Amino acid sequence: GAVVSQHPSRVICKSGTSVKIECRSLDFQATTMFWYRQFPKKSLMLMATSNEGSKATYEQGVEKDKFLINHASLTLSTLTVTSAHPEDSSFYICSARGGQGFTYEQYFGPGTRLTVT
Amino acid sequence: GQNIDQPTEMTATEGAIVQINCTYQTSGFNGLFWYQQHAGEAPTFLSYNVLDGLEEKGRFSSFLSRSKGYSYLLLKELQMKDSASYLCAFMDSNYQLIWGAGTKLIIKP
Repeated sequence: GAVVSQHPSRVICKSGTSVKIECRSLDFQATTMFWYRQFPKKSLMLMATSNEGSKATYEQGVEKDKFLINHASLTLSTLTVTSAHPEDSSFYICSARGGQGFTYEQYFGPGTRLTVT
Repeated sequence: GQNIDQPTEMTATEGAIVQINCTYQTSGFNGLFWYQQHAGEAPTFLSYNVLDGLEEKGRFSSFLSRSKGYSYLLLKELQMKDSASYLCAFMDSNYQLIWGAGTKLIIKP
């Protein structure tokens, strides 16, 4: 149980375009979803926390107008990177927590590698 | 303030035992997690300690001392597939995870 999927796994886009990444909890209802960014050989950097039906809470330094997060249901959250630039190239990982027998453990999706050319 | 620290890299031999330490400072604490992350993949959950003591799960064990702000992950009978980064993270008073930078574990034959 506690499976989180992410789509796409890899995406290459041109500078100036927007990219949407989906995160789904497949077998539980995620009350909270998290979006992380990870640079090579670095630790996870939390970008934002989203609760179903409410606005995401962004970490300091993360532009909310550039990284649009929608958590429309208990099983789906999306991250849209708007007007992408090469410096946005990174590994984006979502995680989710919640469900029956709630624990504070976060279950991670497989990640999305974004390359902006 | 809050901070968390773990060694950047460790090397061990196949079949041996290795202990990865993690120290932290925080005013609010709701448990400590260990995750394993292979290169290019997302982290996978290993353990969660909220009370002092040792939790054993197969070849992996995790220890916590809240008074010392200290945890370790113990890996026994090391296998080549254990080569990965090991991330420790504590949960703060807001139930947010504060992540360490990760310890890259290199296993040699």
